This record gives sequence, structure tokens and C-alpha cells, in this order.
Amino acid sequence: DTGVSQDPRHKITKRGQNVTFRCDPISEHNRLYWYRQTLGQGPEFLTYFQNEAQLEKSRLLSDRFSAERPKGSFSTLEIQRTEQGDSAMYLCASSKPSGSNTGELFFGEGSRLTVL
Amino acid sequence: GNSVTQMEGPVTLSEEAFLTINCTYTATGYPSLFWYVQYPGEGLQLLLKATKADDKGSNKGFEATYRKETTSFHLEKGSVQVSDSAVYFCALNEDGKLTFGQGTILTVHP
Repeated sequence: DTGVSQDPRHKITKRGQNVTFRCDPISEHNRLYWYRQTLGQGPEFLTYFQNEAQLEKSRLLSDRFSAERPKGSFSTLEIQRTEQGDSAMYLCASSKPSGSNTGELFFGEGSRLTVL
Repeated sequence: GNSVTQMEGPVTLSEEAFLTINCTYTATGYPSLFWYVQYPGEGLQLLLKATKADDKGSNKGFEATYRKETTSFHLEKGSVQVSDSAVYFCALNEDGKLTFGQGTILTVHP
């Protein structure tokens, strides 16, 4: 399978614990995005990388959230001191380099977080 | 900032009925427009796209036309099937990232 893969698919944690999600993009894609989706809403942009550089962060990304893409390949999204309001589906997407990029993003199946 | 507004759902139709899901957008420039679909238990996948005014995107019997004058990108299908039951998201991409509407749930009954 050469699509975007995310791990874990489901995570249940207690309030105050730290969680980390991993995303492996499509191999030739240099842009990687994180989105959050809550029930009944469309995905909301969190942050994105071009290669290893984090180019933009949403105001939704509080200081408890940190994302990395150290080698320009896979990425991790860590949430520290989780709160019940963090419960959501965290989506990763990737896209082709600019020049061949029509704006289409390719999404993984998401990592569902439940904070008890 | 950019925004996308979709018609509120849910939408419930009988098989072979005509479908329209309205989508309007606000953007500072000339974005690319997309419809994504999320089938039950699956990830978001691209349904169709249009990159400039008057372009028509089409796929699987669905169509949408980029209307700059009305800032709209309405999704249509002439005859829906039960297998079209899903959540449909309109989105725009102007500055390298997608901005989504809130989604419209479509249920098609036999």
C-alpha cells in the first residue's frame, strides 16, 4: 500500500497523559499536513511541513501540541497533558511538490483520540 | 480569511433521485476547488476538482462547475445510488492548504 498511513488508528487515554501520533506520507510527496476533525465538522487545519520545515501553524495548535518531521519523511504529532476537548480524529495528508501540485491532498484514515 | 459554506444536511434521497449539494466560498484570490467524500469507516478521498473559473470537474457521475461570478461550486448527480451514501465536503486551496466546509451527510434509500 503506497497511501498515507497513520498510527495508531485509535487511542484512548486519561486526561493529563501525553499521546503521540505518527504519519507516513506518500514517498514522493514533500508536503505533509495535520488536520483535526470533530464530529459533525469538516477537517480543520493544524500545521504543515515542506520537507522538514514547519511552514505554518494554526491558532488551534496550542503550546501543548507539537509536530515534527525530522528527516522530511514521516511526521509525529504529540499532545501533552491531554484534555477532554482534545478528543477528535487527527488526520494526516500529503501532497506533491509544487509545480506538479494541483492542490489535491491525499489523506490517511486518521487517528481517533478519546480522552477520558 | 478563506471560508467554505455548504448547505446544511442531512440529505435523504431515494435511489435514482437527483442530487444537489450547494457550496459557496470566500477567498481573496482564485483558489482551486474540490469535493472530497468520506464513506463510512474510510478516509477522505478526492471526488472531483476544478482549478479555474468555468472548469467542470466530474467523476463517478458527479459534476461541479467553478462559478467565479457566484463564488459557488455546487455538486450534482443525476441519479444517486445507495452506494453514494457518505459525507461530502467542499474545499478550497488557495495558499497551499485546504479549507473545508462543514460537510453534508447524504443517505440514499433503495
